[in-house]
Amino acid sequence: QKEVEQNSGPLSVPEGAIASLNCTYSDRGSQSFFWYRQYSGKSPELIMSIYSNGDKEDGRFTAQLNKASQYVSLLIRDSQPSDSATYLCAPYTGTASKLTFGTGTRLQVTL
Amino acid sequence: DTAVSQTPKYLVTQMGNDKSIKCEQNLGHDTMYWYKQDSKKFLKIMFSYNNKELIINETVPNRFSPKSPDKAHLNLHINSLELGDSAVYFCASSATRDFYNEQFFGPGTRLTVL
Repeated sequence: QKEVEQNSGPLSVPEGAIASLNCTYSDRGSQSFFWYRQYSGKSPELIMSIYSNGDKEDGRFTAQLNKASQYVSLLIRDSQPSDSATYLCAPYTGTASKLTFGTGTRLQVTL
Repeated sequence: DTAVSQTPKYLVTQMGNDKSIKCEQNLGHDTMYWYKQDSKKFLKIMFSYNNKELIINETVPNRFSPKSPDKAHLNLHINSLELGDSAVYFCASSATRDFYNEQFFGPGTRLTVL
């Protein structure tokens, strides 16, 4: 079992729709969770962090965390072509002092 | 500008050579990292330093040697380069505050070994 699992995609959504990106993780010791966006040929960019169960909203982005189910998701409302990128889920484990990245979900927003 | 910077951006070299990549951050962070992103885009931690002390050393060949002269700098030296070392290497930094470990990445160094 992979430590962090994400559907590799591509996930294709029309412009203006909601994109839903999912991630499951195996380490129950994970304490905080991060979503990074990576455009092709660029470095990962932190877009959301979430530390407790429930929802956290920031602009068009909503992160959802369910530690009991070991599941974290990212919703992107009103998707724009500029949102087309790979989204990386990364749980952080304090005891190991490290982020573990999933392989990422490639999102394509179509006109 | 406040940021994490890396040099060089591109590095093309022959097998067997030795090369170094440099990283600097001016965010005032106390922890720095090296990641490797392979051709399949999988991003994996290699090393991390906290206040110049090595705290993570994943299963990396000992041809790779990190060095942190101070909190703001973390360099990566690679000896006897192999074809499989071709990848993008990212430096990152964070402020260590329990589990609020938001990491910020540099632009990456694309290493090509011929």
